[in-house]
Amino acid sequence: AQTVTQSQPEMSVQEAETVTLSCTYDTSESDYYLFWYKQPPSRQMILVIRQEAYKQQNATENRFSVNFQKAAKSFSLKISDSQLGDAAMYFCAYGDYGGATNKLIFGTGTLLAVQP
Amino acid sequence: DGGITQSPKYLFRKEGQNVTLSCEQNLNHDAMYWYRQDPGQGLRLIYYSQIVNDFQKGDIAEGYSVSREKKESFPLTVTSAQKNPTAFYLCASSPWGRNTEAFFGQGTRLTVV
Repeated sequence: AQTVTQSQPEMSVQEAETVTLSCTYDTSESDYYLFWYKQPPSRQMILVIRQEAYKQQNATENRFSVNFQKAAKSFSLKISDSQLGDAAMYFCAYGDYGGATNKLIFGTGTLLAVQP
Repeated sequence: DGGITQSPKYLFRKEGQNVTLSCEQNLNHDAMYWYRQDPGQGLRLIYYSQIVNDFQKGDIAEGYSVSREKKESFPLTVTSAQKNPTAFYLCASSPWGRNTEAFFGQGTRLTVV
């Protein structure tokens, strides 16, 4: 079964600085998708960025980018020029689309604090 | 506006009672999901449905039941068999297929009193 591990329960960054959140996963599949979701204090889940395993180019969305290392099964999120509004819980997720399945498997999350 | 709506936002239940959490979507999505969120454990999948009148157990289905009689609706019943029901429950929906973003409701906080 696929698993997703986030080894940093909490992180802190100064405003305008850069922070990297780690995520590793385990799968025997060769084609899959990976996602980062943000959950602010409102608890509304928001998609930050997604990556297809077959694409070698790392995905970017404005200040958010990923470092996808397929062989190492690593999928880290880099937030540049951190803003106070980036403070939230961040979840890494694996898209399980094998056979008749269509579901997301989540890690345990990293709580990011942004210091002014 | 299109979206996914969960109700109520807060729910209190007495021990031994069943309670049903509502989830409605108007996004015309085929797939719907229920997740449970506890501190330090992330989101764990309870049940999911890929089509009307069909659903599958997730990782922690014991003590829960669902139905999918309409494409728009996927209610979750927390039964008295669920030993520790106090948690935050999130409903989500997505189109069928790969690379599909899951859209989430705003959640229901269930507390057993």
